[in-house]
Amino acid sequence: NAGVMQNPRHLVRRRGQEARLRCSPMKGHSHVYWYRQLPEEGLKFMVYLQKENIIDESGMPKERFSAEFPKEGPSILRIQQVVRGDSAAYFCASSPVGSGSSHSPLHFGNGTRLTVT
Amino acid sequence: AQTVTQSQPEMSVQEAETVTLSCTYDTSESNYYLFWYKQPPSRQMILVIRQEAYKQQNATENRFSVNFQKAAKSFSLKISDSQLGDTAMYFCAFIYGGSQGNLIFGKGTKLSVKP
Repeated sequence: NAGVMQNPRHLVRRRGQEARLRCSPMKGHSHVYWYRQLPEEGLKFMVYLQKENIIDESGMPKERFSAEFPKEGPSILRIQQVVRGDSAAYFCASSPVGSGSSHSPLHFGNGTRLTVT
Repeated sequence: AQTVTQSQPEMSVQEAETVTLSCTYDTSESNYYLFWYKQPPSRQMILVIRQEAYKQQNATENRFSVNFQKAAKSFSLKISDSQLGDTAMYFCAFIYGGSQGNLIFGKGTKLSVKP
């Protein structure tokens, strides 16, 4: 039973390029969450999606960042025109129902480490 | 606003001994859940233990147990019989019942288990 799959594991981009991070949730999970972890910090919530819908994007920067979770395929976190400050580990998590329920703790992927040079 | 504070950036313990990691939180919510996650060098986030705020009994998972003091808003993690594989970052996290997925993490405690 595969867990949450994220790829790539490592991604290097030059300033100004685009970064696309992919996340396939656990089988049977329809809720996806993206978190960002800066060095020496805990994870910070970015966005919560269900299939084809953004439910909560209160943690997303207003510009350059976008996320989608299409009907078919993985969830994508897209960062346009990357800057050095975007360098971080980006984690995806999934749950079968909304994570406000005690019965659905988040299952995390191994993260994508983005390095902007 | 909800906050989670881990006051110990780093700790170390001898193999087979017991260690306690502290966590405090601040919230005005009455319905919430608390978690401890482990992040080994592989970077994977692993759920260690969870506690529902409405339960008075402290959660236990094998060698891991919590001391949940609701009035003091304290949620410490005790690791008994520490093993080398317990070496990792440990994050305390909080979510309230009406949240839409915003799990709030502390900054973490780096635990080193020494042989």
